[in-house]
Amino acid sequence: EVQLVESGGGLVKPGGSLRLSCAASGFTFSSYSVNWVRQAPGEGLEWVSSISSESNYISYADSVKGRFTVSRDNAENAVFLQMNSLRVEDTAVYYCARDGAGDYGFDYWGQGTLVTVSS
Amino acid sequence: QSVLTQPASVSGSPGQSITISCTGARSDVGSYKYVSWYQQHAGKAPKLLIYDVTLRPSGVSNRFSGSKSANTASLTISGLQAEDEADYYCSSYTLSGVYVFGPGTKVTVL
Repeated sequence: EVQLVESGGGLVKPGGSLRLSCAASGFTFSSYSVNWVRQAPGEGLEWVSSISSESNYISYADSVKGRFTVSRDNAENAVFLQMNSLRVEDTAVYYCARDGAGDYGFDYWGQGTLVTVSS
Repeated sequence: QSVLTQPASVSGSPGQSITISCTGARSDVGSYKYVSWYQQHAGKAPKLLIYDVTLRPSGVSNRFSGSKSANTASLTISGLQAEDEADYYCSSYTLSGVYVFGPGTKVTVL
């Protein structure tokens, strides 16, 4: 069974840092791109970042570029999102999602982890 | 980055068909077959309904179908059921090499 489990969320002050993890199981992790998608309270989905299977292609939304860094460890079946210089507007549930359907489709999602940025 | 537009809400009676539009630009929806649709029930993670514009993952009801014309993609739900009441998001890959989501459409079953 394919599973994605996020962890690392919590309460952090503006300007602080947090590292999210996404642990994958049930599939050949090293064959798939993984994305981070966030959802602010009461708002819609916002794509945050993508990392290809071998980490050779990485992209970010403009809203997080220069502050967030995505990485992965295929030996550990995990993807990470290092979030620095956090802002109040980064408050959201962060999901990791596998890009595994055809050419584009996030077919499996984790349950999400809540990041709250507040003083 | 590109912006996709969707109607804020769509409603229908049980058994009816409804269509949700997703309008982008030549730089995103109009350029690729990389359009997908997601269903999200309150408090739950999104679920993939349609990928590559028209394809359905296994296990997704054939009441859901996708299409595209020029810069507008559409999701049609036929035989509307109470369980279809949820938020629906379109998403596209863009010429900029990033992904974008639409603002979401709340579907209400009357």
